[in-house]
Amino acid sequence: EAGVVQSPRYKIIEKKQPVAFWCNPISGHNTLYWYLQNLGQGPELLIRYENEEAVDDSQLPKDRFSAERLKGVDSTLKIQPAELGDSAVYLCASSPGVGGREETQYFGPGTRLLVL
Amino acid sequence: DAKTTQPPSMDCAEGRAANLPCNHSTISGNEYVYWYRQIHSQGPQYIIHGLKNNETNEMASLIITEDRKSSTLILPHATLRDTAVYYCIVRVGNTGKLIFGQGTTLQVKP
Repeated sequence: EAGVVQSPRYKIIEKKQPVAFWCNPISGHNTLYWYLQNLGQGPELLIRYENEEAVDDSQLPKDRFSAERLKGVDSTLKIQPAELGDSAVYLCASSPGVGGREETQYFGPGTRLLVL
Repeated sequence: DAKTTQPPSMDCAEGRAANLPCNHSTISGNEYVYWYRQIHSQGPQYIIHGLKNNETNEMASLIITEDRKSSTLILPHATLRDTAVYYCIVRVGNTGKLIFGQGTTLQVKP
């Protein structure tokens, strides 16, 4: 079974440029998560989707970050414009559902962003 | 949100059991304990989780104390490939939110 797929794996951009990250969750997983991981820290949740609906985006900086999950499968996370402090690893995870044992999250390899 | 406390680092000899402790004294009755690990430059990898009873799978065993205020992850025969940061997490109810702490950096030595 294929795991969570993310692309690109690495991205280098100049500040003020836009950037987008793509995630394909495990087949059949209804719940999708985007996390931000700064160097030396644990991941922090940015947004959670239940199918197409963003049910928790309280930690998403909405002035520059946006996300979408069309048709309840793939998802895209966008930053516009990027700032130096956005340099981090962006992780995508998915789970079969929410609640009980269904909520085990499986992570992709992440996209490492460097803003110059 | 229940907070976890882990030692920042531990060493283990290759082939020996690695016992990673975690304190979660404020855990609520319906909150699960999850363990993930993260090998350098990779995404977090799910290891095991439990609610009240001890759990075992092909990767590890999870021992949860009767009062649920602490737990121990056991890697029965550590290998060099088990060198990673291990995160103990208390999942917040049915919110889907995993709150990662600093984790324990486990160094397996030959």
